[in-house]
This record gives sequence, structure tokens and C-alpha cells, in this order.
Amino acid sequence: NAGVMQNPRHLVRRRGQEARLRCSPMKGHSHVYWYRQLPEEGLKFMVYLQKENIIDESGMPKERFSAEFPKEGPSILRIQQVVRGDSAAYFCASGRDRSSYEQYFGPGTRLTVT
Amino acid sequence: DQQVKQNSPSLSVQEGRISILNCDYTNSMFDYFLWYKKYPAEGPTFLISISSIKDKNEDGRFTVFLNKSAKHLSLHIVPSQPGDSAVYFCAASAGTSGSRLTFGEGTQLTVNP
Repeated sequence: NAGVMQNPRHLVRRRGQEARLRCSPMKGHSHVYWYRQLPEEGLKFMVYLQKENIIDESGMPKERFSAEFPKEGPSILRIQQVVRGDSAAYFCASGRDRSSYEQYFGPGTRLTVT
Repeated sequence: DQQVKQNSPSLSVQEGRISILNCDYTNSMFDYFLWYKKYPAEGPTFLISISSIKDKNEDGRFTVFLNKSAKHLSLHIVPSQPGDSAVYFCAASAGTSGSRLTFGEGTQLTVNP
């Protein structure tokens, strides 16, 4: 399967715990984007990364959220001290390079904060 | 500030007929537009795109029309099939390729057999 991989597919965390969401881009793609979809809403951009570099994090909440895309391994979206309002579907997308507009999405991680 | 709007939350059509999904935008900097289809519990699937230098792009049963002066685009599906039933999202990109996408709220399309 050469598609975008995300894990876990479902994640349940209690308030105050940490959530780590992982994304492996499509083979040959070097750009990763994270989006969040709240219930009954469209997808909202969070952050755009290349390997070892954050290109655009203008959509990230100022506190508790961070993202990385290391030289080796998947991209990680980390949410510290989760609150109920963080419950959402988090989607990762990958793009081939900076000349490409099309983004290809993974199946998403559904985060539930209890 | 909703820069991309899909004003119809839902649309129902008969199998074999045309489905027309609409999208409006406000940001003049948008220069590339994409349509995605999404089934429940899955990620969005890329369908078709159009650059602002064009007014039409066609791929099989799917055609996207862009009216820059009206800041409006539409997706036509002909003929519609029951398997097309899904949520359709319009998305836009501004300035440079490889940049963030701004999504509309989506339109639930139901194609009745």
C-alpha cells in the first residue's frame, strides 16, 4: 500500500494526558500537512512540514500542540495535556514537492478525550 | 472568516442525472482549486483540480468549472451513480504551490437508485 499511513486510527485519552499521532507520507513524497476536522465542520489547516523543517505552522494552536517530521521515521503531531475540545479527526496529507498543489490524505486519527 | 463556502449542506439527485456542487470563495489570492470526496470514517480522496488560468477541466464523469470574476466554482458529475454518494469538499490554495489548502464545509451528495 503506497498511500498515506496514519496511526493509530482511533485514540482515547483522558483530560490532561498526551496524544501522539503518526503519519507516514506516500512513497516519494517529502511534504506533510496536518489538518483537523471538528464535528460538522470542514478541514482546518494546522501545520506544513518538510523533513526536519516546519514550513508553515500558522494554523497550530499556540499552546500544547507541536509537530515534527524527522529525517527518519514518520511525522508526529503531539498534543500535550489534552482537553475535551481537542476531540476531533486529525488528517495528515502528503505532497510530492513544492511544485505540487495536490495533497493526498490518510485515513485520519479520531481522537476522543474523556 | 470563511474564505471558502459551500452553501448547500446537502444535495439529492437521481441515478443517471447530473449532480452540480457549488463553491464560492472570497480570497482573490487563491489560484488553484481542488475537489475532494470523503466517505465516513475515511480520509478525503482527491478528485479533480483546476488552475486559475483555466475555466474548465474535465476528467471522465467529473468536470470543474471556474468563474474567476464571480469567485465561483462548480463540480459537475455526469452521470451520477449511487457510489458517488459522499461528502464533497471544495478546497483552495493561494500564492504558491505546496502551500496550505483552505476547505469549504462540505456538501453531502446522495444519489438515489
